[in-house]
Amino acid sequence: TQLLEQSPQFLSIQEGENLTVYCNSSSVFSSLQWYRQEPGEGPVLLVTVVTGGEVKKLKRLTFQFGDARKDSSLHITAAQTGDTGLYLCAFFSSNTGKLIFGQGTTLQVKP
Amino acid sequence: GAGVSQSPSNKVTEKGKDVELRCDPISGHTALYWYRQSLGQGLEFLIYFQGNSAPDKSGLPSDRFSAERTGGSVSTLTIQRTQQEDSAVYLCASSLFRGGFNYGYTFGSGTRLTVV
Repeated sequence: TQLLEQSPQFLSIQEGENLTVYCNSSSVFSSLQWYRQEPGEGPVLLVTVVTGGEVKKLKRLTFQFGDARKDSSLHITAAQTGDTGLYLCAFFSSNTGKLIFGQGTTLQVKP
Repeated sequence: GAGVSQSPSNKVTEKGKDVELRCDPISGHTALYWYRQSLGQGLEFLIYFQGNSAPDKSGLPSDRFSAERTGGSVSTLTIQRTQQEDSAVYLCASSLFRGGFNYGYTFGSGTRLTVV
């Protein structure tokens, strides 16, 4: 059972377009994290959202945590080729001490 | 060190051979994790070390996989009698875990293992 469902799995867009990536679950989380992974590198933490309804911005990236803390979204405005990579959402299970990842969304931004 | 260091970065081995993958975590990070990632996929949890507690080995796919963490720092993941399905990128991460809150993982660049 996949606790975190990410959609879409793959996205190919032109530079300058906007996009949204979703991370959904039937479970309630105390927090969610978003990571970006570039080819040949490990994932890098982008943001942690903690409060239901919270919105965080990181330059052209906007992260939102659902009111019920079951889902999150990542919106990129005016995508650039440097945004290309694998975007992963994850939650930290305080019971097990582990970070559980979704399957990821592969984003390709073409020039 | 400044980041999590993994070695080797690439490893090609013959089926049936044993391999050892090394991870140097960030100094002071109490938790260390190993994950496996197949091409373009998400991360599959393997094993987790936290301080002096017994490691959580629940993600190890078979008894051919083992890991140890010496002195609360460096960790080695060993795969015995490698199989072709073991081919993947093996990622190590460390984190500061305090008061029930995880302050975010820092990942190494991974070891790409190819079993031929």
